[in-house]
Amino acid sequence: DAGVIQSPRHEVTEMGQEVTLRCKPISGHNSLFWYRQTMMRGLELLIYFNNNVPIDDSGMPEDRFSAKMPNASFSTLKIQPSEPRDSAVYFCASSRRGGAGANVLTFGAGSRLTVL
Amino acid sequence: KQEVTQIPAALSVPEGENLVLNCSFTDSAIYNLQWFRQDPGKGLTSLLLIQSSQREQTSGRLNASLDKSSGRSTLYIAASQPGDSATYLCAVRPDDYKLSFGAGTTVTVRA
Repeated sequence: DAGVIQSPRHEVTEMGQEVTLRCKPISGHNSLFWYRQTMMRGLELLIYFNNNVPIDDSGMPEDRFSAKMPNASFSTLKIQPSEPRDSAVYFCASSRRGGAGANVLTFGAGSRLTVL
Repeated sequence: KQEVTQIPAALSVPEGENLVLNCSFTDSAIYNLQWFRQDPGKGLTSLLLIQSSQREQTSGRLNASLDKSSGRSTLYIAASQPGDSATYLCAVRPDDYKLSFGAGTTVTVRA
């Protein structure tokens, strides 16, 4: 398995622009998480999906952030409009809720976002 | 709210020395605890996962222990190598899906 795949790896954009980050979880994993990592706040959970359904989005900073999971193999995190304080590394992670390897969280390589 | 603390924040040791990394958490009602490694500019790699019913897990040179009653976990890395240089994070999972991460310990192994 290729692991959790995220794109783009790096994104530099100007304030006010729309940003879309993409994630392909590991096949067979039914839980998907979006995290944000900054030096000041460490790792923060933004949103959690189980079987493609958003279960907890309480970590989404504000209405500018939205996430979708239209099917088991794809998820997006969108920021519109973007602001400089959104600059961070955004990680997607997936896990299996049952069976062998259950609950072991596998992270993607991350998308480093810089908003100028 | 679960608070996870990792001390020290940074550690530098000569090659060959054993590493001891500490993680403490405030709420002992956990489902499992996971140790991760993060290399600069990279994602997190899972090292070991300890279920709440377990006392320790081992993988190669790595051994992680869990003492729920005292709210502590320790990651031991035997015979450290320069390739072990990275940031190590522990994450505690309560009964639901959320992980509470520590801030990490940055390890440097000097050749």
